[in-house]
Amino acid sequence: GAGVSQSPSNKVTEKGKDVELRCDPISGHTALYWYRQSLGQGLEFLIYFQGNSAPDKSGLPSDRFSAERTGGSVSTLTIQRTQQEDSAVYLCASSPGLAEDTQYFGPGTRLTVL
Amino acid sequence: KNQVEQSPQSLIILEGKNCTLQCNYTVSPFSNLRWYKQDTGRGPVSLTIMTFSENTKSNGRYTATLDADTKQSSLHITASQLSDSASYICVVRKQAGTALIFGKGTTLSVSS
Repeated sequence: GAGVSQSPSNKVTEKGKDVELRCDPISGHTALYWYRQSLGQGLEFLIYFQGNSAPDKSGLPSDRFSAERTGGSVSTLTIQRTQQEDSAVYLCASSPGLAEDTQYFGPGTRLTVL
Repeated sequence: KNQVEQSPQSLIILEGKNCTLQCNYTVSPFSNLRWYKQDTGRGPVSLTIMTFSENTKSNGRYTATLDADTKQSSLHITASQLSDSASYICVVRKQAGTALIFGKGTTLSVSS
């Protein structure tokens, strides 16, 4: 079946602009994660959605970052007033639901802030 | 501080040779440890997962080991192939909550 998809694959924006990144998880997966991967760095956890529970936002680096998950499926990560240090690959992953489940990653969105 | 350290940072080997990648962690309390393979421009794909009680697990030519006492894990790749060229990431989950601690990865290049 279809895996996790993300769009756009690449996004170039100017400093100060807002961007929206989209993630379509695997159908039926109740858990959805957003990560950030900066050049030469490991993946950094941003936010976690599980079903109808309140999301775990503990990884969001600042209040310029927010995420929504509508209808328990598609998720959007929004970065307001982008800064150059926001340039990274943003990865989305989904899992069937249990905390121990394998996470299936999308291809990522490469964000470049000029 | 919860950390996951991987070594070497990068590695180049000839096709057909074996190699071993290392992962040391200080994450506590420990739940499980995964090795992921990430091809260039793609998302990570899970290779193996091990819990506290497991000390070895194989997935084809990939064999992972875990020593929970010394907090060390290794990923051994046998008879390497060109398609093994990728970044290999060690990920440790804490016992409580959703926190995953990612290593920075080892970049493996297999040449012919």
